[in-house]
Amino acid sequence: DTEVTQTPKHLVMGMTNKKSLKCEQHMGHRAMYWYKQKAKKPPELMFVYSYEKLSINESVPSRFSPECPNSSLLNLHLHALQPEDSALYLCASSQDELTGIGADTQYFGPGTRLTVL
Amino acid sequence: GQNIDQPTEMTATEGAIVQINCTYQTSGFNGLFWYQQHAGEAPTFLSYNVLDGLEEKGRFSSFLSRSKGYSYLLLKELQMKDSASYLCAVPNQAGTALIFGKGTTLSVSS
Repeated sequence: DTEVTQTPKHLVMGMTNKKSLKCEQHMGHRAMYWYKQKAKKPPELMFVYSYEKLSINESVPSRFSPECPNSSLLNLHLHALQPEDSALYLCASSQDELTGIGADTQYFGPGTRLTVL
Repeated sequence: GQNIDQPTEMTATEGAIVQINCTYQTSGFNGLFWYQQHAGEAPTFLSYNVLDGLEEKGRFSSFLSRSKGYSYLLLKELQMKDSASYLCAVPNQAGTALIFGKGTTLSVSS
């Protein structure tokens, strides 16, 4: 099973709302990722968690707050977003971080389509 | 840093063969990935090359030349469902995440 699940599939929120995106994998992967993808653009890395610890924050604004409650779950808490934050938010996981020969494959979830009004 | 270049768009007809090229400049090399992404959906893994040569997987094959910083994805017997964006990606310098090219949008017509 190479499935990464994400909820919700679609989310519409106002600029004053607080919402959360959820991601789950049961493949025993130790690295999990959040990417943001705008239309007709490639995915851009936001955060990397390795062994439940935040290892990379790609200078993401503090209105995005990641959380890794356990090795299977990854959340992205959203607060005071801007309309330009509207995008497809992709979660991914891999067995371990992508180091060395035989880099681990990343598996992506279906994404959450976020619209900020 | 990592830099990836691939054509923006390509068109082809059903049953044909198409080759999507990708050139890259990296600090260190930890392999190259190809992903397929249909509109509005998540990227799905197609192939991974770390050694020079051709890797064949059904209708799809991927080639790598490390000395030239070059890879291609070869799609044979094209089908309408192959219309998608094809993303070339390499691990970042630290090997902690993927850096994606801008993607090549392939349109297959009948």
